[in-house]
Amino acid sequence: EDQVTQSPEALRLQEGESSSLNCSYTVSGLRGLFWYRQDPGKGPEFLFTLYSAGEEKEKERLKATLTKKESFLHITAPKPEDSATYLCAVLGNSGYALNFGKGTSLLVTP
Amino acid sequence: DGGITQSPKYLFRKEGQNVTLSCEQNLNHDAMYWYRQDPGQGLRLIYYSQIVNDFQKGDIAEGYSVSREKKESFPLTVTSAQKNPTAFYLCATKGGTEAFFGQGTRLTVV
Repeated sequence: EDQVTQSPEALRLQEGESSSLNCSYTVSGLRGLFWYRQDPGKGPEFLFTLYSAGEEKEKERLKATLTKKESFLHITAPKPEDSATYLCAVLGNSGYALNFGKGTSLLVTP
Repeated sequence: DGGITQSPKYLFRKEGQNVTLSCEQNLNHDAMYWYRQDPGQGLRLIYYSQIVNDFQKGDIAEGYSVSREKKESFPLTVTSAQKNPTAFYLCATKGGTEAFFGQGTRLTVV
């Protein structure tokens, strides 16, 4: 069974203080690892899909990387508007739907 | 305006009442999903559909029903058999390398 574990559960950063969020996974044949941003009361907003170890994708202050066991979402010089919950999900060969972790709640203070 | 439309945004259900949540998409995606989100539990899969007139149970299908009569539409009915329906419900579609979510429906039992 596919499993996804995100850490930390919550993270508080000062504006400009770079850090990383972790997504560890076990899956039978990775077909894709997905990152989302979710604001309170809203649906998740798609950020990235990664497919193979070594792959990296960037969007503004966010950079996602992938190894065979985990993915990192690096946040460089964050701003208060980056505050949100970040969700990681995997799609494996044994399933037809994304399997989600519980998310990391990020708070960036001025 | 393209994307996924969920309605209503807020829904109140009385005890013993069935209610239906709407999900419409104009992305031309074959796959559609319903997830339930509770605080601290992440997203859990209720039902999914890969093609029209076909759907499969997810991890927590008891007390829910769906239909897929059109490619664009995947409504979810929360029946009186669902004992704890208060939650945030999210509809998603997947096409190619990306999966997108609607803005959610918050269901409350009164």
